[in-house]
Amino acid sequence: DAEITQSPRHKITETGRQVTLACHQTWNHNNMFWYRQDLGHGLRLIHYSYGVHDTNKGEVSDGYSVSRSNTEDLPLTLESAASSQTSVYFCATRTSGSPTDTQYFGPGTRLTVL
Amino acid sequence: GQQVMQIPQYQHVQEGEDFTTYCNSSTTLSNIQWYKQRPGGHPVFLIQLVKSGEVKKQKRLTFQFGEAKKNSSLHITATQTTDVGTYFCAGQSNTGKLIFGQGTTLQVKP
Repeated sequence: DAEITQSPRHKITETGRQVTLACHQTWNHNNMFWYRQDLGHGLRLIHYSYGVHDTNKGEVSDGYSVSRSNTEDLPLTLESAASSQTSVYFCATRTSGSPTDTQYFGPGTRLTVL
Repeated sequence: GQQVMQIPQYQHVQEGEDFTTYCNSSTTLSNIQWYKQRPGGHPVFLIQLVKSGEVKKQKRLTFQFGEAKKNSSLHITATQTTDVGTYFCAGQSNTGKLIFGQGTTLQVKP
């Protein structure tokens, strides 16, 4: 069955370190998204990609970057981790840009920045 | 910017009682989607509403999309402990991005 995997599932790091969260999908979906989830804020979009070599900023992109070198993967990098980036991170995919398509979420990565 | 507001943030009910969560957008939406997230889990798609005034049912769950396509609601009849979780609405803007509400966390007392 097609799926989305995220790794690691849990990560503890120190302020100032570079951290990369992996997202891999076997749906063969063009659209991929990264969200962060914090209490009281719901899911906020960090970055998204509509295809290989395409990346776009979401509403909370500062301090994060992504790259899309193939269809399957969209790694999220925290250039210099800050305590404010402690959160649960979800990767999601969608078939295309059609407004009637749904999103499928990965299991999430819980990141703690000390 | 475009916002989707969801209320209430939390709701505690006795098993068997009804539950409703409301979603309001600052702008007209192309469609609205509803997701459920169980404690410790990830959001899972429930349903999508596209047409103005649309009503859809899934067993004890009833979803409505407002006439102006700016608001929506999810109503659960006779809640069960399996309904526990956080329910998110997500409005799709004309740029194709999903904008999530803050979610309503439902607790059901047996």
